[in-house]
Amino acid sequence: QSALTQPASVSGSPGESITISCSGTSSDVGSYNLVSWYQQHPGKAPKLLIYEVSQRPSGLSSRFSGSKSGNTASLTISGLQAEDEADYYCCSYAGTTSYVLFGGGTKLTVL
Amino acid sequence: QVQLVQSGADMKKPGSSVKVSCKASGGTFSNYPINWLRQAPGQGLEWMGEFTPLFGAANYAQKFQGRVTIITDESTGTAYMELSSLRSDDTAVYYCARDAGDWHFDPWGQGTLVTVSS
Repeated sequence: QSALTQPASVSGSPGESITISCSGTSSDVGSYNLVSWYQQHPGKAPKLLIYEVSQRPSGLSSRFSGSKSGNTASLTISGLQAEDEADYYCCSYAGTTSYVLFGGGTKLTVL
Repeated sequence: QVQLVQSGADMKKPGSSVKVSCKASGGTFSNYPINWLRQAPGQGLEWMGEFTPLFGAANYAQKFQGRVTIITDESTGTAYMELSSLRSDDTAVYYCARDAGDWHFDPWGQGTLVTVSS
């Protein structure tokens, strides 16, 4: 069982928008604006999509956006494309006891 | 732009140790912390620990305390992760990743598959 809770799967059609939630606690997601999101294609290393809740790395498409409310963070992908089909992981700093927690991952299927 | 290049796949017996390397190519660690994470087959990501060259100090996940050692060799731009007392459930792809600031990871190494089997 993962420390952060994500839906196991989501799906959407090309051009649509989807949102993936990441539920934590007041000790991790709720306490720090240090939530990041990663995309992982099969057999590949994870790729940073979002950091510090809503910041995008230089050069990353604006179709990817992040937000947070209370103990829950969210990743939204707009204008779905076939290449967005991948696994997505949320991550949060959790203080000097647990340090870093990940969600169990969400498989995105583009219909 | 720095890239992280890891050592190749390895197979170990239960009870033994494994040491995985991670070399910075096209740059240096630049005193950013180097983290190690792993992913068991078909499972999610798990953080193991990190080493900060600037302070020469490591922090480890409680789960791996006493079994993992992370160090860096600044002269060669290489980081190492050694995991001891291997068990079959340590079979996983091990990744190094630079902490780009405030606990987010970029870039990542390509991953190293470690198989623990008798």
